[in-house]
Amino acid sequence: QVQLQESGPGLVKPAETLSLTCTVSGGSVSSGYYYWSWIRQPPGKGLEWIGYIYYSGITKYNPSLKSRVTIAVEMSKNQFSLKLSSVTAADTAVYHCARVRTGGDVFDFWGQGTLVTVSS
Amino acid sequence: DIVLTQSPDSLAVSLGERATINCKSSQSLLSSSNSKDYLAWYQHKPGQPPKLLIHWASTRESGVPDRFSGSGSGTDFSLTISSLQAEDVAVYYCQQYYSTPFTFGQGTKLEIK
Repeated sequence: QVQLQESGPGLVKPAETLSLTCTVSGGSVSSGYYYWSWIRQPPGKGLEWIGYIYYSGITKYNPSLKSRVTIAVEMSKNQFSLKLSSVTAADTAVYHCARVRTGGDVFDFWGQGTLVTVSS
Repeated sequence: DIVLTQSPDSLAVSLGERATINCKSSQSLLSSSNSKDYLAWYQHKPGQPPKLLIHWASTRESGVPDRFSGSGSGTDFSLTISSLQAEDVAVYYCQQYYSTPFTFGQGTKLEIK
């Protein structure tokens, strides 16, 4: 069974860069059958897709965040990462990593999520 | 962006009774190339990761109890739980994967009456 686990700082200062890592176990980020994605949920609000990456390095981002987002894959560590620059309080959210099936882009396995608070 | 609107926002149903959650899309999710609806349903319990229940609008994910069913096509979809169990208390989300950015409904909170 695939498991995903997010890690990273729980507190980030405004205008700084949020950095999170997702470690995958029970599966490989180098598989050609899946994308690897980040999704967030601000407190009291709905789910927002941030973007995904394919093992080849191809990425797709939500246009609402595209100018500030970078998703990268580290195959040797079986991890992928998220960087979100110039954060504000509006970026405070629970951040989930998830696996996406190709040929039908559903999120079939998710991490528990990690709360990142943007505050000075 | 495709907007998904779920109704109701919250729902209280007695154990053993039927629960139905609706999801309306701002545009059709039916592909003319493969005749499939690009809609999924997820269950999210507190302290757990969201769980994929249904994809292609009506295909149950492996291991999902058959009391969960999805229906609808085009712009109007439903998730039905035929006989509510205590462990079904959760927030349910629909999601479209017809086009990026992928979007979710606002969620429906399901409780026991």
